[in-house]
Amino acid sequence: EAQVTQNPRYLITVTGKKLTVTCSQNMNHEYMSWYRQDPGLGLRQIYYSMNVEVTDKGDVPEGYKVSRKEKRNFPLILESPSPNQTSLYFCASSLLPPRYSGNTIYFGEGSWLTVV
Amino acid sequence: GEDVEQSLFLSVREGDSSVINCTYTDSSSTYLYWYKQEPGAGLQLLTYIFSNMDMKQDQRLTVLLNKKDKHLSLRIADTQTGDSAIYFCAEKRATHAGNNRKLIWGLGTSLAVNP
Repeated sequence: EAQVTQNPRYLITVTGKKLTVTCSQNMNHEYMSWYRQDPGLGLRQIYYSMNVEVTDKGDVPEGYKVSRKEKRNFPLILESPSPNQTSLYFCASSLLPPRYSGNTIYFGEGSWLTVV
Repeated sequence: GEDVEQSLFLSVREGDSSVINCTYTDSSSTYLYWYKQEPGAGLQLLTYIFSNMDMKQDQRLTVLLNKKDKHLSLRIADTQTGDSAIYFCAEKRATHAGNNRKLIWGLGTSLAVNP
C-alpha cells in the first residue's frame, strides 16, 4: 500500500529543545516536501527536495532544516523550536516535481506539534 | 493578488447538494485540485481537473471550471454526514522563473453536514 508515514503524530515540547519529525515514503518517489498548516494561513511549504542530497527552501523555511540522505526519508529538523512553530505539519511526496502535469501528491497524516 | 480564495464555511442538510467555490488568479495554471481533510487526518486528493476541461464528473463529485472567470467549483451530490470535512482548492502555478511549478492553496472551506 502506498504510504507516507510521519512520526511523531503528536508532540508537546519545550522551547529550545531540538526535535526531528521523520517522514518516510514507500513509493520510490523523488520529490518530497514539508508543509505547515495554520489557522487562517492555509498550507505553506517549508522545504522541498527534488532528489537525494537536493533540497531547497519553500515559502517559510526559517527555523527549520531538512536532509535527504536516502530517497525514502525526508526528516524535518527544528534545531531550537519556538512557540511560533506550534503547528500541524504535513509531509508529502510525489513521483515527479510539480512542474510535471498530472502528478499525484501523497500526504502523510500530519504531525501536531506544540512548543511551550 | 496571488491568492486562491474560498469561502470559509458551508452548512448543508444531509441529502442536499453542496457546492464549494474557489477563485484563482493565474490564467496559465495547468491543473486545479480539490483536497479533503477530515478531522484529525491528513490531506486526501479528491479530484483534479486539467485547465483545458470545463467539467469533470466522478461519482458524486462534479468539478466545474470557468477559465474565463478563473472560478472552480466542487459539487457533492447527496451530501452525507461523512462528507463533513475541510475542502481545499489548489492551483498548480508556474514559478516566477517559469521553469517549475508550485501548488498555491486556498485556506479551505469547512463543510458541515447536518442530519
